[in-house]
Amino acid sequence: LAKTTQPISMDSYEGQEVNITCSHNNIATNDYITWYQQFPSQGPRFIIQGYKTKVTNEVASLFIPADRKSSTLSLPRVSLSDTAVYYCLVGDTDKLIFGTGTRLQVFP
Amino acid sequence: ETGVTQSPTHLIKTRGQQVTLRCSSQSGHNTVSWYQQALGQGPQFIFQYYREEENGRGNFPPRFSGLQFPNYSSELNVNALELDDSALYLCASSLEVSGDEQFFGPGTRLTVL
Repeated sequence: LAKTTQPISMDSYEGQEVNITCSHNNIATNDYITWYQQFPSQGPRFIIQGYKTKVTNEVASLFIPADRKSSTLSLPRVSLSDTAVYYCLVGDTDKLIFGTGTRLQVFP
Repeated sequence: ETGVTQSPTHLIKTRGQQVTLRCSSQSGHNTVSWYQQALGQGPQFIFQYYREEENGRGNFPPRFSGLQFPNYSSELNVNALELDDSALYLCASSLEVSGDEQFFGPGTRLTVL
């Protein structure tokens, strides 16, 4: 199973773009990269998933370089409600392996 | 469409007791996974059920067991509770086994005294 490394915490201000980078040097050929968001006392919520290049949905973009050894979750124009823990997962899309995540704090 | 629900919300037990946690999966989902989340940590995979059969297990002892029913709801049973079992227990359902987004419930907060 590929291990992921991401910053423990990040701070931002409302309206800014936030980029959270995740390292996964041992990613396997068949592995997808998935990001989840978790608010306190709630279950994680799926944000985005990708395999290579760039994926965009209504809430975020996911950038994956050609070597796939890292990925960057981009949150455009964050608001206070984006304060949460963000998890980068690599590998099985069903038996999810979570790390400790990145705690994003958004300030007014 | 009803989301994933879990019961009870909170539970307090003492060491050595047994506990049963329940999960109702999202409508149409046949796969249920259970996770344990200790304070300040990411969720840890316990096991998964697909169409009433166990379909993978994480690094948890046999005193953690589960069931999935014909309506795809599920139970997590923990015997001989230990203090370290205190955690948030999360249930997640998905449409099929792999490749699909998992939908998590709000969790059950278990405290073992």
